[in-house]
Amino acid sequence: TQTVSQSDAHVTVFEGDSVELRCNYSYGGSIYLSWYIQHHGHGLQFLLKYYSGNPVVQGVNGFEAEFSKSDSSFHLRKASVHWSDSAVYFCAVSGGLNYNQGKLIFGQGTKLSIKP
Amino acid sequence: EAAVTQSPRSKVAVTGGKVTLSCHQTNNHDYMYWYRQDTGHGLRLIHYSYVADSTEKGDIPDGYKASRPSQENFSLILELASLSQTAVYFCASTGGGSYEQYFGPGTRLTVL
Repeated sequence: TQTVSQSDAHVTVFEGDSVELRCNYSYGGSIYLSWYIQHHGHGLQFLLKYYSGNPVVQGVNGFEAEFSKSDSSFHLRKASVHWSDSAVYFCAVSGGLNYNQGKLIFGQGTKLSIKP
Repeated sequence: EAAVTQSPRSKVAVTGGKVTLSCHQTNNHDYMYWYRQDTGHGLRLIHYSYVADSTEKGDIPDGYKASRPSQENFSLILELASLSQTAVYFCASTGGGSYEQYFGPGTRLTVL
């Protein structure tokens, strides 16, 4: 069984600031990790993913995430946020049988608000 | 560009009535999913499908049925809608070997 936890329900930063959105998971085997963004009133859009290889992965619009097996984490970062980054961000995991069945388990989401 | 469309975009239904939500994808993807999103919560998987004419139960299938008559179309059916089924419903698709899911715009369902 996999679980995913996003500890921050809401994060607020100023435009131009850096930001880190936290994601922790629990699962002992190989795991597929991804992040999605949801702008208000829209469906989710894929940002980036990790399964193996370089633990730092790059996504669209300057986002990157780093996988840490020791911390069971896959935190999302951006060096300088723009007002258009205001959205809800979801971390998703898949491993074992879920992975074989193409199923994702989503976290609760973190709402990112950008102050001008 | 990958495309997933949903209809209707919003619907008001009465308790005990039948509701059908439709999803259409032009991605040529084999996998399709139905999720529900409740305010302040993540997405929960209701039903999914690997191939036409076959559906599988997700994590919260009770009160829902699904139908996949073709590769492109995937419907979610609420035979007897209940107040607790008020939510936003998302459809998604993905191709074999890729776990990047493409989402539709969502259907906001209100059951009164």
